Amino acid sequence: QQQVKQSPQSLIVQKGGISIINCAYENTAFDYFPWYQQFPGKGPALLIAIRPDVSEKKEGRFTISFNKSAKQFSLHIMDSQPGDSATYFCAASISFQKLVFGTGTRLLVSP
Amino acid sequence: DGGITQSPKYLFRKEGQNVTLSCEQNLNHDAMYWYRQDPGQGLRLIYYSQIVNDFQKGDIAEGYSVSREKKESFPLTVTSAQKNPTAFYLCASIPAGGAFNEQFFGPGTRLTVL
Repeated sequence: QQQVKQSPQSLIVQKGGISIINCAYENTAFDYFPWYQQFPGKGPALLIAIRPDVSEKKEGRFTISFNKSAKQFSLHIMDSQPGDSATYFCAASISFQKLVFGTGTRLLVSP
Repeated sequence: DGGITQSPKYLFRKEGQNVTLSCEQNLNHDAMYWYRQDPGQGLRLIYYSQIVNDFQKGDIAEGYSVSREKKESFPLTVTSAQKNPTAFYLCASIPAGGAFNEQFFGPGTRLTVL
């Protein structure tokens, strides 16, 4: 119930392509869904987040799509760049209490 | 510069030894958190503290201990009771009344137990 399932585990995308990472959850009480970006040897940094009352949120090249009925949300990175190569984590929380993290996706954008 | 400092960046210890990881923040944040990160796994919450002199266990607190004597400091001790301590440890903080969209992470400490 408290898990957030993330896929794929790793992803290779060509420069300029679209990277798509998916997450699914079971607990319908989750009401905050952030995505974090982590570079090797660094702490995660908040990338973008969404609440379940909207179906999509866009910030620059990064978009979250949210499907409440399917209990799924995804991160789309448009025009992927080599500098986007990092590990991405989805997460979920209830009323901004502790975060439950997905297992991470290692993204490699090839030049 | 405001931020979270974790030291050291790399730490090596012999099996059976206790080790303390440092986390300091000058953001004036009230809440502080310790997470553990293992390859192929998400971050897992070890302990958290919302105010000085108070802290709560997270999901994987066994074998760990913390203290919160000062607002800016939240050290984590990995004890010999922790069966698999080798991991990447992350400290984070949130301002008073803040939410996880304001959570800052430190750079992490990679602990290797030999």
